[in-house]
Amino acid sequence: DSGVTQTPKHLITATGQRVTLRCSPRSGDLSVYWYQQSLDQGLQFLIQYYNGEERAKGNILERFSAQQFPDLHSELNLSSLELGDSALYFCASSVGVTYSGANVLTFGAGSRLTVL
Amino acid sequence: SQQGEEDPQALSIQEGENATMNCSYKTSINNLQWYRQNSGRGLVHLILIRSNEREKHSGRLRVTLDTSKKSSSLLITASRAADTASYFCATDAGGSRGGADGLTFGKGTHLIIQP
Repeated sequence: DSGVTQTPKHLITATGQRVTLRCSPRSGDLSVYWYQQSLDQGLQFLIQYYNGEERAKGNILERFSAQQFPDLHSELNLSSLELGDSALYFCASSVGVTYSGANVLTFGAGSRLTVL
Repeated sequence: SQQGEEDPQALSIQEGENATMNCSYKTSINNLQWYRQNSGRGLVHLILIRSNEREKHSGRLRVTLDTSKKSSSLLITASRAADTASYFCATDAGGSRGGADGLTFGKGTHLIIQP
């Protein structure tokens, strides 16, 4: 157990639907990251939050949004789902910004989304 | 876009042999990390090497970094069946706001250790 909790583990839904993925970071970590992993695109960085604020944005579609709550858990909302959104979605956490610049991530087990 | 590119994409060796994986990247980095992913599971951090370091060891792992060539290698010595996994390099280029940007991962090397 890495200490990063993701729910649900598996999700099957239809095109056009909306889903919410949830992540609780490891105790003490202030930063939460979302990644999408698919066979053809590899591991793609979506977005990062630090202590409730958006910190960095990667290849996140406009149909996707995320937020980090005061208790530091985070949610990734995926809407108007398409077949191509089927992937593993990982949440990772880290202590956050360090002056040394070393950012080691702890990953959750992932949420596998299947869009039919 | 991918920053790190691992090579080879797949590697199959006999148990007990050494496994070497390479990673090339494009831009300047603060540090480079290697992660392992067992099938369908989350990634696990293995080792970090800073841009001012050339070599680092951790147990059976040896990582080298050549910033002039923008490349790194991960060597796993005396491989075991349990080492079967995908291995990813991840670069941390630092962000405009203090190095907090997400790590950029390559597509990974899938390593199979034959018993």
